[in-house]
Amino acid sequence: QSALTQPASVSGSPGQSITISCTGTSSDVGSYNLVSWYQQHPGKAPKLMIYEVSKRPSGVSNRFSGSKSGNTASLTISGLQAEDEADYYCCSYAGSSTFGVFGGGTKLTVL
Amino acid sequence: QVQLQESGPGLVKPSQTLSLTCTVSGGSISSGSYYWSWIRQPAGKGLEWIGRIYTSGSTNYNPSLKSRVTISVDTSKNQFSLKLSSVTAADTAVYYCATYDFWSGYLDYWGQGTLVTVSS
Repeated sequence: QSALTQPASVSGSPGQSITISCTGTSSDVGSYNLVSWYQQHPGKAPKLMIYEVSKRPSGVSNRFSGSKSGNTASLTISGLQAEDEADYYCCSYAGSSTFGVFGGGTKLTVL
Repeated sequence: QVQLQESGPGLVKPSQTLSLTCTVSGGSISSGSYYWSWIRQPAGKGLEWIGRIYTSGSTNYNPSLKSRVTISVDTSKNQFSLKLSSVTAADTAVYYCATYDFWSGYLDYWGQGTLVTVSS
Protein backbone atom coordinates (compact mmCIF):
# COMPACT_ATOMS: atom_id res chain seq x y z
CA GLN A 1 0.00 0.00 0.00
CA SER A 2 1.23 3.49 -0.83
CA ALA A 3 0.36 6.49 1.27
CA LEU A 4 -2.45 8.73 0.11
CA THR A 5 -1.28 12.04 -1.36
CA GLN A 6 -2.08 15.28 0.44
CA PRO A 7 -0.66 18.78 -0.08
CA ALA A 8 2.04 19.51 2.47
CA SER A 9 0.45 22.79 3.45
CA VAL A 10 -2.53 25.02 2.86
CA SER A 11 -3.40 28.40 4.28
CA GLY A 12 -6.32 30.74 4.55
CA SER A 13 -7.51 33.84 6.34
CA PRO A 14 -10.12 33.83 9.08
CA GLY A 15 -13.59 33.51 7.65
CA GLN A 16 -12.42 32.02 4.38
CA SER A 17 -12.88 28.44 3.18
CA ILE A 18 -10.13 26.01 2.35
CA THR A 19 -10.10 22.55 0.83
CA ILE A 20 -7.56 19.81 1.45
CA SER A 21 -7.33 17.05 -1.14
CA CYS A 22 -6.44 13.42 -0.55
CA THR A 23 -5.62 11.34 -3.61
CA GLY A 24 -5.46 7.58 -3.57
CA THR A 25 -6.06 4.81 -6.04
CA SER A 26 -8.84 2.59 -7.29
CA SER A 27 -7.82 0.11 -4.58
CA ASP A 28 -8.56 2.42 -1.68
CA VAL A 29 -10.25 5.83 -2.03
CA GLY A 30 -11.82 4.92 -5.33
CA SER A 31 -13.25 1.62 -4.16
CA TYR A 32 -14.82 2.52 -0.86
CA ASN A 33 -16.85 5.36 0.60
CA LEU A 34 -14.84 4.93 3.75
CA VAL A 35 -12.52 7.92 3.92
CA SER A 36 -11.92 9.57 7.27
CA TRP A 37 -10.21 12.80 8.29
CA TYR A 38 -8.31 13.65 11.46
CA GLN A 39 -7.26 16.94 13.03
CA GLN A 40 -4.11 17.01 15.11
CA HIS A 41 -2.99 19.96 17.18
CA PRO A 42 0.66 20.06 18.33
CA GLY A 43 1.33 17.64 21.15
CA LYS A 44 -2.16 16.17 20.97
CA ALA A 45 -3.65 12.95 19.70
CA PRO A 46 -5.45 13.02 16.36
CA LYS A 47 -9.19 13.70 16.52
CA LEU A 48 -11.74 12.19 14.16
CA MET A 49 -13.44 14.96 12.17
CA ILE A 50 -15.07 13.14 9.25
CA TYR A 51 -15.85 9.48 8.60
CA GLU A 52 -17.46 7.60 5.74
CA VAL A 53 -16.43 10.45 3.40
CA SER A 54 -18.86 13.07 4.69
CA LYS A 55 -20.27 12.16 8.10
CA ARG A 56 -19.41 14.22 11.16
CA PRO A 57 -19.10 12.69 14.62
CA SER A 58 -21.16 14.26 17.33
CA GLY A 59 -19.58 17.48 18.52
CA VAL A 60 -17.67 18.31 15.35
CA SER A 61 -18.54 21.67 13.89
CA ASN A 62 -20.61 21.73 10.71
CA ARG A 63 -17.92 24.01 9.28
CA PHE A 64 -16.12 20.78 8.46
CA SER A 65 -17.38 18.82 5.47
CA GLY A 66 -16.09 16.00 3.33
CA SER A 67 -16.62 14.78 -0.20
CA LYS A 68 -15.19 12.38 -2.73
CA SER A 69 -14.86 12.16 -6.48
CA GLY A 70 -13.19 9.17 -8.06
CA ASN A 71 -9.88 8.50 -6.35
CA THR A 72 -9.75 11.86 -4.59
CA ALA A 73 -11.39 12.82 -1.31
CA SER A 74 -11.58 16.35 0.02
CA LEU A 75 -11.99 18.06 3.35
CA THR A 76 -13.46 21.55 3.30
CA ILE A 77 -13.33 23.90 6.25
CA SER A 78 -15.55 26.93 5.95
CA GLY A 79 -15.46 30.06 8.07
CA LEU A 80 -11.85 29.45 9.06
CA GLN A 81 -11.02 30.13 12.68
CA ALA A 82 -7.68 30.42 14.41
CA GLU A 83 -8.39 27.20 16.30
CA ASP A 84 -8.54 25.29 13.00
CA GLU A 85 -4.79 25.71 12.59
CA ALA A 86 -3.52 22.14 12.86
CA ASP A 87 -2.31 19.17 10.87
CA TYR A 88 -4.93 17.20 8.99
CA TYR A 89 -4.67 13.58 7.91
CA CYS A 90 -6.89 11.54 5.64
CA CYS A 91 -7.24 7.79 5.85
CA SER A 92 -8.94 5.36 3.51
CA TYR A 93 -10.25 1.85 4.08
CA ALA A 94 -8.35 -0.55 1.85
CA GLY A 95 -10.05 -3.89 2.39
CA SER A 96 -11.02 -6.18 5.21
CA SER A 97 -7.69 -7.96 5.41
CA THR A 98 -5.66 -4.86 6.13
CA PHE A 99 -5.83 -1.60 7.97
CA GLY A 100 -6.39 1.76 6.36
CA VAL A 101 -3.97 3.87 4.40
CA PHE A 102 -2.99 7.27 5.76
CA GLY A 103 -2.19 10.40 3.85
CA GLY A 104 1.05 12.19 4.58
CA GLY A 105 -0.69 15.05 6.36
CA THR A 106 -1.41 18.69 5.56
CA LYS A 107 -0.44 21.61 7.74
CA LEU A 108 -3.18 24.23 7.80
CA THR A 109 -2.10 27.74 8.64
CA VAL A 110 -4.68 30.37 9.49
CA LEU A 111 -3.15 33.68 8.44
CA GLN B 1 -17.57 6.44 25.75
CA VAL B 2 -14.44 4.39 25.25
CA GLN B 3 -11.25 5.75 26.77
CA LEU B 4 -7.76 4.49 26.05
CA GLN B 5 -4.57 4.95 28.04
CA GLU B 6 -1.10 3.88 26.97
CA SER B 7 1.48 2.85 29.52
CA GLY B 8 5.05 1.60 29.42
CA PRO B 9 8.68 2.69 29.58
CA GLY B 10 9.54 5.99 27.96
CA LEU B 11 13.14 4.97 27.31
CA VAL B 12 14.31 1.76 25.67
CA LYS B 13 17.87 0.78 24.82
CA PRO B 14 18.82 -0.11 21.26
CA SER B 15 18.36 -3.78 20.36
CA GLN B 16 15.92 -4.28 23.24
CA THR B 17 12.16 -4.81 23.11
CA LEU B 18 9.67 -1.98 23.38
CA SER B 19 6.60 -2.99 25.37
CA LEU B 20 3.46 -0.90 25.72
CA THR B 21 0.01 -1.61 27.11
CA CYS B 22 -3.25 0.10 26.29
CA THR B 23 -5.92 -0.01 28.98
CA VAL B 24 -9.49 0.27 27.76
CA SER B 25 -12.23 1.80 29.89
CA GLY B 26 -15.82 2.65 29.15
CA GLY B 27 -16.23 -0.40 26.95
CA SER B 28 -15.31 -4.04 26.61
CA ILE B 29 -12.31 -5.12 24.61
CA SER B 30 -14.37 -8.20 23.76
CA SER B 31 -16.78 -6.03 21.81
CA GLY B 32 -16.91 -7.01 18.19
CA SER B 33 -17.13 -3.41 17.10
CA TYR B 34 -13.44 -2.61 16.88
CA TYR B 35 -10.00 -3.60 15.83
CA TRP B 36 -7.67 -2.54 18.63
CA SER B 37 -4.84 -0.70 16.96
CA TRP B 38 -1.38 0.73 17.45
CA ILE B 39 -0.15 3.72 15.48
CA ARG B 40 3.04 5.69 15.86
CA GLN B 41 4.30 9.12 14.89
CA PRO B 42 7.98 10.11 14.80
CA ALA B 43 8.62 13.71 15.73
CA GLY B 44 7.59 16.04 12.93
CA LYS B 45 6.33 13.21 10.74
CA GLY B 46 3.06 11.59 9.80
CA LEU B 47 1.05 8.73 11.22
CA GLU B 48 2.22 5.17 10.67
CA TRP B 49 0.20 2.03 11.27
CA ILE B 50 1.93 -0.57 13.39
CA GLY B 51 -0.87 -3.11 13.47
CA ARG B 52 -4.21 -4.15 14.85
CA ILE B 53 -5.88 -7.01 16.65
CA TYR B 54 -9.45 -8.18 16.72
CA THR B 55 -11.10 -9.63 19.77
CA SER B 56 -10.72 -13.08 18.22
CA GLY B 57 -6.95 -12.64 18.32
CA SER B 58 -6.63 -12.14 14.58
CA THR B 59 -3.88 -9.65 13.75
CA ASN B 60 -2.65 -7.53 10.87
CA TYR B 61 0.79 -5.95 10.94
CA ASN B 62 2.55 -3.30 8.89
CA PRO B 63 4.72 -5.32 6.46
CA SER B 64 7.69 -3.07 7.21
CA LEU B 65 7.52 -3.98 10.90
CA LYS B 66 5.97 -7.42 10.75
CA SER B 67 9.09 -9.38 11.66
CA ARG B 68 9.49 -7.39 14.88
CA VAL B 69 5.90 -6.76 16.04
CA THR B 70 3.55 -8.68 18.27
CA ILE B 71 0.16 -7.37 19.34
CA SER B 72 -1.85 -9.29 21.90
CA VAL B 73 -5.05 -8.86 23.86
CA ASP B 74 -5.86 -9.64 27.48
CA THR B 75 -9.61 -9.71 27.85
CA SER B 76 -9.45 -10.35 31.60
CA LYS B 77 -7.70 -7.01 32.08
CA ASN B 78 -9.44 -5.18 29.22
CA GLN B 79 -6.03 -4.39 27.77
CA PHE B 80 -4.10 -4.92 24.59
CA SER B 81 -0.37 -4.76 24.19
CA LEU B 82 2.41 -4.02 21.74
CA LYS B 83 5.85 -5.55 21.63
CA LEU B 84 8.43 -4.30 19.14
CA SER B 85 11.74 -6.11 19.20
CA SER B 86 15.26 -5.14 18.16
CA VAL B 87 14.51 -1.44 18.35
CA THR B 88 16.72 1.26 16.90
CA ALA B 89 16.68 5.04 17.05
CA ALA B 90 14.30 4.96 14.07
CA ASP B 91 11.65 3.52 16.38
CA THR B 92 11.67 6.66 18.52
CA ALA B 93 8.15 8.05 18.25
CA VAL B 94 4.91 8.86 20.00
CA TYR B 95 2.93 5.64 20.17
CA TYR B 96 -0.86 5.77 20.14
CA CYS B 97 -3.43 3.11 20.77
CA ALA B 98 -6.76 3.59 19.04
CA THR B 99 -10.00 1.89 18.09
CA TYR B 100 -10.51 1.09 14.40
CA ASP B 101 -14.17 0.65 13.54
CA PHE B 102 -14.75 -2.87 12.28
CA TRP B 103 -17.26 -1.90 9.61
CA SER B 104 -16.29 1.55 8.46
CA GLY B 105 -12.56 1.73 8.98
CA TYR B 106 -12.18 4.89 10.99
CA LEU B 107 -10.26 5.58 14.17
CA ASP B 108 -12.73 7.09 16.57
CA TYR B 109 -11.07 6.77 19.96
CA TRP B 110 -7.41 7.49 20.64
CA GLY B 111 -5.18 7.34 23.65
CA GLN B 112 -3.24 10.46 24.53
CA GLY B 113 -0.05 8.93 23.16
CA THR B 114 3.19 8.05 24.86
CA LEU B 115 6.66 9.08 23.76
CA VAL B 116 9.13 6.23 23.52
CA THR B 117 12.76 7.16 23.00
CA VAL B 118 15.30 4.58 21.89
CA SER B 119 18.68 5.53 23.26
CA SER B 120 21.52 4.05 25.21
